Amino acid sequence: AQSVAQPEDQVNVAEGNPLTVKCTYSVSGNPYLFWYVQYPNRGLQFLLKYITGDNLVKGSYGFEAEFNKSQTSFHLKKPSALVSDSALYFCAVRDIPPAAGNKLTFGGGTRVLVKP
Amino acid sequence: KAGVTQTPRYLIKTRGQQVTLSCSPISGHRSVSWYQQTPGQGLQFLFEYFSETQRNKGNFPGRFSGRQFSNSRSEMNVSTLELGDSALYLCASSLGSGAGSTDTQYFGPGTRLTVL
Repeated sequence: AQSVAQPEDQVNVAEGNPLTVKCTYSVSGNPYLFWYVQYPNRGLQFLLKYITGDNLVKGSYGFEAEFNKSQTSFHLKKPSALVSDSALYFCAVRDIPPAAGNKLTFGGGTRVLVKP
Repeated sequence: KAGVTQTPRYLIKTRGQQVTLSCSPISGHRSVSWYQQTPGQGLQFLFEYFSETQRNKGNFPGRFSGRQFSNSRSEMNVSTLELGDSALYLCASSLGSGAGSTDTQYFGPGTRLTVL
């Protein structure tokens, strides 16, 4: 069965510093990988995805993620964090080929706190 | 283009009652998935509908059911509510291609269900 791990419950970073949110995955085949962000009392907002190709994926709001197949990781990064980046971040995976449809398996989430 | 909409946004029910939640996908999207989000269990997949057919189902009891209409709108129903059903229920829509698709799921704001 596929799984996703986000080893850090919370990440604290000063505004302007680089931000990294870690994600590792386990799937039986090649993965589709996603990052979502959730602000308080809101749904999940799509940031970026890796399907195939370049291991460095660029997404919304200055975020990017690096796919590393040998380490089964898909860490989310932002070169310079903003206070407004404070939110809950989720990594998710979908198998290729999908067993059926669009089921996403999520990690437990990482809370990011960016301090001024 | 309007995003995914969910109604109602908040619900308060008592144990033993039943509840119906509604989801309208992004125009042109044919796949609708439902997820339950709780502090203890995180984000868990409930089911996915595509072309009015359930395409995939998560590990939830039969009290949880859903359906999809010909206009792709979806409803989920929870019967005989239990305290543990208190959660944020999220709906996500995607274009809904076949196996191997690279579709992104876009989430609605969720329905916050409280069971007393």
